[in-house]
Amino acid sequence: EAQVTQNPRYLITVTGKKLTVTCSQNMNHEYMSWYRQDPGLGLRQIYYSMNVEVTDKGDVPEGYKVSRKEKRNFPLILESPSPNQTSLYFCASSLRGSGNTIYFGEGSWLTVV
Amino acid sequence: GENVEQHPSTLSVQEGDSAVIKCTYSDSASNYFPWYKQELGKGPQLIIDIRSNVGEKKDQRIAVTLNKTAKHFSLHITETQPEDSAVYFCAASPPHDMRFGAGTRLTVKP
Repeated sequence: EAQVTQNPRYLITVTGKKLTVTCSQNMNHEYMSWYRQDPGLGLRQIYYSMNVEVTDKGDVPEGYKVSRKEKRNFPLILESPSPNQTSLYFCASSLRGSGNTIYFGEGSWLTVV
Repeated sequence: GENVEQHPSTLSVQEGDSAVIKCTYSDSASNYFPWYKQELGKGPQLIIDIRSNVGEKKDQRIAVTLNKTAKHFSLHITETQPEDSAVYFCAASPPHDMRFGAGTRLTVKP
């Protein structure tokens, strides 16, 4: 079954404690990205990757890091989380980026206290 | 860059009625316009899309229209059912980008 899998689905953490949200896709997609969803703001892109070892900033990259060492994986790293990073996060993939169907993961609820 | 505005933010209809959600975009280079449905506790899923060389597309009870001159596109759901209740996102995609609207929460009352 074609899917985007992200973990953890739910996490409560404390300010400053580094955390990683993993993301994996099994569709051999070149393009992967991370979004955060906040009430009234829709889906805002954090980072995206056009292919292995190629990453670029989206609209809201501050406080986040990503890496793309393998085609299937695209982890999101919060080096020093702050309360304003409390949000619902989605990993997504598509065959080649814009103009193609985007497949989203189930989402990761992150609370930073 | 591209800017997408979506209205209304919430929409409540009676079962069997039609629902219409409207979006406008700013970048005339946008050529792909998908619509996503997000059910509670899940990630958004594509329900229909349209490309700039087409004015209308229909899939059973769902249709999308595109007016390139006015830079707006709309989602039409006919004969709504309770399972249509969800958050709907429009998006516009110029080359090398995709921007989402803020979403519309649709509630279908039985």
